[in-house]
Amino acid sequence: DAKTTQPPSMDCAEGRAANLPCNHSTISGNEYVYWYRQIHSQGPQYIIHGLKNNETNEMASLIITEDRKSSTLILPHATLRDTAVYYCIVRAYNFNKFYFGSGTKLNVKP
Amino acid sequence: DTGVSQNPRHKITKRGQNVTFRCDPISEHNRLYWYRQTLGQGPEFLTYFQNEAQLEKSRLLSDRFSAERPKGSFSTLEIQRTEQGDSAMYLCASSPASGNLNIQYFGAGTRLSVL
Repeated sequence: DAKTTQPPSMDCAEGRAANLPCNHSTISGNEYVYWYRQIHSQGPQYIIHGLKNNETNEMASLIITEDRKSSTLILPHATLRDTAVYYCIVRAYNFNKFYFGSGTKLNVKP
Repeated sequence: DTGVSQNPRHKITKRGQNVTFRCDPISEHNRLYWYRQTLGQGPEFLTYFQNEAQLEKSRLLSDRFSAERPKGSFSTLEIQRTEQGDSAMYLCASSPASGNLNIQYFGAGTRLSVL
């Protein structure tokens, strides 16, 4: 079962930073935090993952709290194309399946 | 870079008919996964292959469902005697044998509508 809690929806103005929170208070020491997003009628798209250090790539930044019980995905300059459902998933790296949960529907508005 | 390919993209069938979906993973990815997604929900794991071996099946995969991956390349998911409750998006994903911490790359899915 999903081990994360996310708000069902969020709004963000185009060009502003979108900060998507995720609570994973029962995370184990060997579990990573993964973020995926799903744009309407497409398959999920990998965004970023991390263990305990903050991570950044060309798509987003991932901030993980020191106790690892929560994290925030940051899209620095949201565009209309970032409108999607964002899933936060915790999983051990050698575990085979992802539990997606219901995710956060991000609405980027002009 | 050809991603995960799924065919058909859409399938409409009558209740009781059999359907088969195909997934072509990213080349050299030896792991392949099937998920099912109903409206408003996140994807749910169905089954997992490593090469041609089916190593894990969810309890969601009833006896009417069968998945194969002959020769460890493409995979097929067959649903026999379809029911209206089978209507969903069926997603396929693949991942490499090592590295990238088992990141799964998804196809666009096959949307099944059972009338």
